[in-house]
Amino acid sequence: QVHLQESGPGLVKPSQTLSLTCTVSGGSINNGSFYWSWIRQPAGKGLEWIGRVNNRGTTVYNPSLKSRVSISVDRSKNTFSLNVRSVTAADSAVYYCTRLWDFYYYGMDVWGQGTRVTVSS
Amino acid sequence: QSVLTQPPSASGTPGQRVTISCSGSSSNIGGNYVYWYQQLPGTAPKLLIYKNDQRPSGVPDRFSGSKSGTSASLAISGLRSEDEADYYCAVWDDSLSGRVFGGGTTLTVL
Repeated sequence: QVHLQESGPGLVKPSQTLSLTCTVSGGSINNGSFYWSWIRQPAGKGLEWIGRVNNRGTTVYNPSLKSRVSISVDRSKNTFSLNVRSVTAADSAVYYCTRLWDFYYYGMDVWGQGTRVTVSS
Repeated sequence: QSVLTQPPSASGTPGQRVTISCSGSSSNIGGNYVYWYQQLPGTAPKLLIYKNDQRPSGVPDRFSGSKSGTSASLAISGLRSEDEADYYCAVWDDSLSGRVFGGGTTLTVL
């Protein structure tokens, strides 16, 4: 059973960089059948797709965030990470890491529990 | 403002059948697979439907999905109190070159 766990600071100052890591356990991040993605959800609002990465490090980003976001994979640690630069209060949200599986036509079949990030001075 | 339009709320009584709609365009629903996610209060979303109308293992057959043209629907039959949740449709948008979510529908079981 694959498990995803987000980690990172819960508080980030405006204009700084938000950095989160998702640890994959119970399976290999190096499996080519999967993509790995980040989703966020501001308090009381809906879901927003941030982007995805595959095991080779190839990325696709939400165009509205592309200039500030980067996602990377570390196969040696079985983790993938998210960086959001120049954050503002609008970046405050619960951030989820997810797995997309080609068996489910890249539906997000595994989700982390989510980690809340607040942008505030 | 999402490119996918869902009603903000829906409701039904136990045992009823409820349908939630998701309206899009030719650049998203019209040409790509639709997914549905269920988010119970205080929890992470869960994949409910993939490839328009397929259920992952473990999802009860009370849940069904359909797609026609540029719209999709999620139907829940035999409504139960534990179905109270937010439901989101999602699809790849060719114009935006990204995955998009609907605004979500909050289902209340009366």
